Amino acid sequence: KQEVTQIPAALSVPEGENLVLNCSFTDSAIYNLQWFRQDPGKGLTSLLLIQSSQREQTSGRLNASLDKSSGRSTLYIAASQPGDSATYLCAVMSGGSNYKLTFGKGTLLTVNP
Amino acid sequence: SQTIHQWPATLVQPVGSPLSLECTVEGTSNPNLYWYRQAAGRGLQLLFYSVGIGQISSEVPQNLSASRPQDRQFILSSKKLLLSDSGFYLCAWRGTGTEKLFFGSGTQLSVL
Repeated sequence: KQEVTQIPAALSVPEGENLVLNCSFTDSAIYNLQWFRQDPGKGLTSLLLIQSSQREQTSGRLNASLDKSSGRSTLYIAASQPGDSATYLCAVMSGGSNYKLTFGKGTLLTVNP
Repeated sequence: SQTIHQWPATLVQPVGSPLSLECTVEGTSNPNLYWYRQAAGRGLQLLFYSVGIGQISSEVPQNLSASRPQDRQFILSSKKLLLSDSGFYLCAWRGTGTEKLFFGSGTQLSVL
């Protein structure tokens, strides 16, 4: 059974700092890995999707990497801003899962002005 | 463009009462549809998914059921709510040719 773990559970940083969020998964047989953002009381917004054959994806100040063999992914946020404050969720789509995602519990990020 | 609508946004229901949450998708056809629940301190848990009209797969044994009466409509129901049914319910869809999931705005359900 696939399990996804995110570390740290919460992170507080000053504005402008670069930061890294970590995600690990137990079964390396994945189709892809996705990073989502969730604002309080809201739905999830897809940030980045990395296919199993890829090493990284970039979108603006966000960069996600994937090391499938070791079961790890990182989300790098450059020059953080208060508007980046949210919960960041990692999810993996496992082989044979019929496109179902297994989510981590998320990292609550607070960027202080 | 594709959009997903989920309602209501919040709901407070007494134990033993029925439940009906509705989700509709616009701008796409034959989407895969999903119901997730997010309980306090826990990750998102997949409850049901559907690959077509009338086709429902349940992921976990529970007090809830799902139906898909139309291509772009997904309904989550219960005949009698339990306290443990409280949580944040999210509907999501995936279109043909993409592996990205798009989520609705969620329903916060409190069972008292």
